Amino acid sequence: EPEVTQTPSHQVTQMGQEVILRCVPISNHLYFYWYRQILGQKVEFLVSFYNNEISEKSEIFDDQFSVERPDGSNFTLKIRSTKLEDSAMYFCASIKDGLNSPLHFGNGTRLTVT
Amino acid sequence: AQTVTQSQPEMSVQEAETVTLSCTYDTSESDYYLFWYKQPPSRQMILVIRQEAYKQQNATENRFSVNFQKAAKSFSLKISDSQLGDAAMYFCAYRSGDYGGSQGNLIFGKGTKLSVKP
Repeated sequence: EPEVTQTPSHQVTQMGQEVILRCVPISNHLYFYWYRQILGQKVEFLVSFYNNEISEKSEIFDDQFSVERPDGSNFTLKIRSTKLEDSAMYFCASIKDGLNSPLHFGNGTRLTVT
Repeated sequence: AQTVTQSQPEMSVQEAETVTLSCTYDTSESDYYLFWYKQPPSRQMILVIRQEAYKQQNATENRFSVNFQKAAKSFSLKISDSQLGDAAMYFCAYRSGDYGGSQGNLIFGKGTKLSVKP
């Protein structure tokens, strides 16, 4: 069964550095998402992406965050200047079409900001 | 705004027994979807079961079933014949059925940590 793949599985970065988290959604999916889970807390929505543009974003997704799908396969989340509080598990997800479709999550990238 | 509440931070069940995890939600929408996701220690998010709000029949997937009470806005998960591999965090999640609304994003509860005793 096709899967959403995320790389790297663990990323360590210093505060103030830029980091790019990568995701390859399932190939025929149309909607793409990033979620964040701070350790011990609930999963929080960051942003949704459809038709090559952001369709919705949460309050968390401020100017430090950006997403893009540069080549039709990769879906990236960039954090420009990381802060300690950005340390979390970041999940990419995609759905095929329609709201009836279930979200397929990747295995996540654990981001540690030191 | 929609909210999802899981009132049980932790639950424990004996292997082979049945356990029910609670979830309530708040919404003014009539069309929506509800999900249970499992997150084992590996932290992968695995879909367990889903329910369309317009369906009265409760969803079932093998040992997993839900009790969907739309009027009460309740969506509990029942795990029968619990197995050691069921030990995980379980998250209840809500998605709007309005295409013009949330674009499919999920709203999660805080989760319930399920332990299974051998």
